[in-house]
Amino acid sequence: RKEVEQDPGPFNVPEGATVAFNCTYSNSASQSFFWYRQDCRKEPKLLMSVYSSGNEDGRFTAQLNRASQYISLLIRDSKLSDSATYLCVVGHNDMRFGAGTRLTVKP
Amino acid sequence: GAGVSQSPSNKVTEKGKDVELRCDPISGHTALYWYRQSLGQGLEFLIYFQGNSAPDKSGLPSDRFSAERTGGSVSTLTIQRTQQEDSAVYLCASSLAGTGAVYGYTFGSGTRLTVV
Repeated sequence: RKEVEQDPGPFNVPEGATVAFNCTYSNSASQSFFWYRQDCRKEPKLLMSVYSSGNEDGRFTAQLNRASQYISLLIRDSKLSDSATYLCVVGHNDMRFGAGTRLTVKP
Repeated sequence: GAGVSQSPSNKVTEKGKDVELRCDPISGHTALYWYRQSLGQGLEFLIYFQGNSAPDKSGLPSDRFSAERTGGSVSTLTIQRTQQEDSAVYLCASSLAGTGAVYGYTFGSGTRLTVV
């Protein structure tokens, strides 16, 4: 079993849509959780941390369920510029990445 | 420096040759990490350094791979006798000590290695 598993995607949505990505992790001792964004042929960049109480940053909402070892990312009012691959990342002593979910937002 | 710097940005090498990839982390970042990303795949953890020590080498794919870090700064990832399956983007990231798993890492732009 992979340490971090994500929806395989791809997700193709129209502008303005709401889209949700899910992620599960296997290490119950994991202490930190993130969503990274990776554009084509670019390095990953931190999108947001994920806190136990859930957190929101503009159109982006992240949730964590420690009991189920599950993380989610919700994007509201999708923009063309949101098109990218979204990586779920789980940290213990280092960080382990999911394979990513590709999102394409279309006009 | 202002960001994580990796060199070369692109490297084409013949099968069987050795290559060295360099990472210069953000100034003051004592933790340094190497990942590998094959085409269309996720990031594969290779190794991380805390200072000059590598507590976790479990991700290195084979004994052809080695890494070192000197002076708590620059790190070199060496691949000996390269194989075609080594072709990938090699990404380096750094963080302040103890905070990588809290605040996340900053990545360099990677070295795209092609073994022909």
